[in-house]
Amino acid sequence: DTAVSQTPKYLVTQMGNDKSIKCEQNLGHDTMYWYKQDSKKFLKIMFSYNNKELIINETVPNRFSPKSPDKAHLNLHINSLELGDSAVYFCASRRDTFNSPLHFGNGTRLTVT
Amino acid sequence: GEDVEQSLFLSVREGDSSVINCTYTDSSSTYLYWYKQEPGAGLQLLTYIFSNMDMKQDQRLTVLLNKKDKHLSLRIADTQTGDSAIYFCAEDTGRRALTFGSGTRLQVQP
Repeated sequence: DTAVSQTPKYLVTQMGNDKSIKCEQNLGHDTMYWYKQDSKKFLKIMFSYNNKELIINETVPNRFSPKSPDKAHLNLHINSLELGDSAVYFCASRRDTFNSPLHFGNGTRLTVT
Repeated sequence: GEDVEQSLFLSVREGDSSVINCTYTDSSSTYLYWYKQEPGAGLQLLTYIFSNMDMKQDQRLTVLLNKKDKHLSLRIADTQTGDSAIYFCAEDTGRRALTFGSGTRLQVQP
């Protein structure tokens, strides 16, 4: 029944490690996103894929690499984690690339120690 | 966000009406959205309005849009304690992603 699901919900790791967050949507949407929410609740777009094609790549360190094996999945891999990467990462999807609402997952809280 | 502004905090008493305000800068915005975020959860779509509309009502929620002033508001009638959350407005400008405001934390006092 879940529309947009992401795993894990919590991720605690040490600086320098590599980690991945997975996202899946069963809504049949063509476009998926990664947003980062900082400690002040500010939401910033990171990446977007439309039908497995990267269409948005904001100013994000090269340590972050999205991968979309098919249009229902969008994963986020982070290399060499830094303290400043600590945040909540939200996956979202929508039917088209514009003029339709985003549907969000419940977020992954990443804590880098 | 740098383009969408909201006040940070609003406190109301249970049963009162809440009005959350938002200003945006991109006049080409086609749709404007309101999302609700409860603690530890994702963003839940509450309602949205197309840019050629002035008002939209959905049960306890009323959205007003003033395109001339680029002002959007969300009114919640008969506010309940369960309405306590962070409310985000967002604009859809056709840049292929939504731009969010900084969020307004609504606190409902019993």
